[in-house]
Amino acid sequence: NAGVTQTPKFQVLKTGQSMTLQCAQDMNHEYMSWYRQDPGMGLRLIHYSVGAGITDQGEVPNGYNVSRSTTEDFPLRLLSAAPSQTSVYFCASSPRGGYSNQPQHFGDGTRLSIL
Amino acid sequence: AQTVTQSQPEMSVQEAETVTLSCTYDTSESDYYLFWYKQPPSRQMILVIRQEAYKQQNATENRFSVNFQKAAKSFSLKISDSQLGDAAMYFCAHGTSYGKLTFGQGTILTVHP
Repeated sequence: NAGVTQTPKFQVLKTGQSMTLQCAQDMNHEYMSWYRQDPGMGLRLIHYSVGAGITDQGEVPNGYNVSRSTTEDFPLRLLSAAPSQTSVYFCASSPRGGYSNQPQHFGDGTRLSIL
Repeated sequence: AQTVTQSQPEMSVQEAETVTLSCTYDTSESDYYLFWYKQPPSRQMILVIRQEAYKQQNATENRFSVNFQKAAKSFSLKISDSQLGDAAMYFCAHGTSYGKLTFGQGTILTVHP
């Protein structure tokens, strides 16, 4: 199994550009989420989804959009990139089924730099 | 809302010795999980150990064990017989429903040979 696949692994953007970070999982997990990791601050939740067609905001949602049209995919969109969005982004998934299924599977991360 | 605090930005240990990483949390949830994740320089997030809040027994995974003090909202990680491969950033995390995690700031662990 591939697990959680994120693309691209690295990206450099100019301020104002838009882009989509891709996330796909092949484990049929219902829960998916996006985190950003900044130095000294740990990972913070951006958006999450509990199933196809259902998304909600996390701790730091401003400047990001998400959609979940299929169980497998959960893309993160930056509509107008800002230098403050320079970070490492992680996608994660976990199965439904109560707290016994809490462990999250993480992708390898995308390092995004906004100039 | 949940908060997780790791008060030790850096820790070091000699190979084969024992080290304890500290974590405190605050939560309004009655049901939750606590986790320790390891992040080596490769940037991967690796689950080390997890603890169900409703269980009084402390979780153990080989050389890794936790000291879960629910009333004190404390969740420390003990690494026994430390190995060079244990060197990494360690994150404490609080998990609620829908797979949402709140992370601490992280502790960098250095292992000296």
